[in-house]
Amino acid sequence: GAVVSQHPSWVICKSGTSVKIECRSLDFQATTMFWYRQFPKQSLMLMATSNEGSKATYEQGVEKDKFLINHASLTLSTLTVTSAHPEDSSFYICSASSFVGTSGGFNEQFFGPGTRLTVL
Amino acid sequence: GDSVTQMEGPVTLSEEAFLTINCTYTATGYPSLFWYVQYPGEGLQLLLKATKADDKGSNKGFEATYRKETTSFHLEKGSVQVSDSAVYFCALSGLGGGADGLTFGKGTHLIIQP
Repeated sequence: GAVVSQHPSWVICKSGTSVKIECRSLDFQATTMFWYRQFPKQSLMLMATSNEGSKATYEQGVEKDKFLINHASLTLSTLTVTSAHPEDSSFYICSASSFVGTSGGFNEQFFGPGTRLTVL
Repeated sequence: GDSVTQMEGPVTLSEEAFLTINCTYTATGYPSLFWYVQYPGEGLQLLLKATKADDKGSNKGFEATYRKETTSFHLEKGSVQVSDSAVYFCALSGLGGGADGLTFGKGTHLIIQP
């Protein structure tokens, strides 16, 4: 099956620093990648949709200047949390979309294992 | 906006018991519906899906039927195993074909005891 990796799996940083999280589709090309955020005991919340070669589309309430998304290739998207603060501490999950040609065709999302960010 | 509500856990069952995890949704238009499963230390995996009303998704003994009249997509399994212990997420996609971001429920932690 399609595999998506994230790096790092966890990171601790000081307040005010920036952190970059990578999302890679290992064995398929993904024109669209998604970034989600999950708070403890809460559902995953969509942050942004990233299309290769174009600007990301952010959900309402997500600061695009704080959460910079780059999708420079069909296998890599990055999320940079700029000037991180403790309230940015969370679990960040990416997914990559690939067209599956069975059952009439469908854009299935394959999820990475997530990155735990802790801002001190 | 779109939303998904699912029963909160943890849900603890004995092996071979019958499982139901309730999921209801609100959405405009005709969403696609999904169940994802997350095993410890792993990413979410698609368990099953349904793209239109009355469709039944099934996989690994799990089933869910898209009920438009009750806006529900309840997950069922006739006989659970210890290996089914995981967190289950109900989700919807507002656009057909799964081309957009997903709206998730909060997840239900399922614990199966031998």
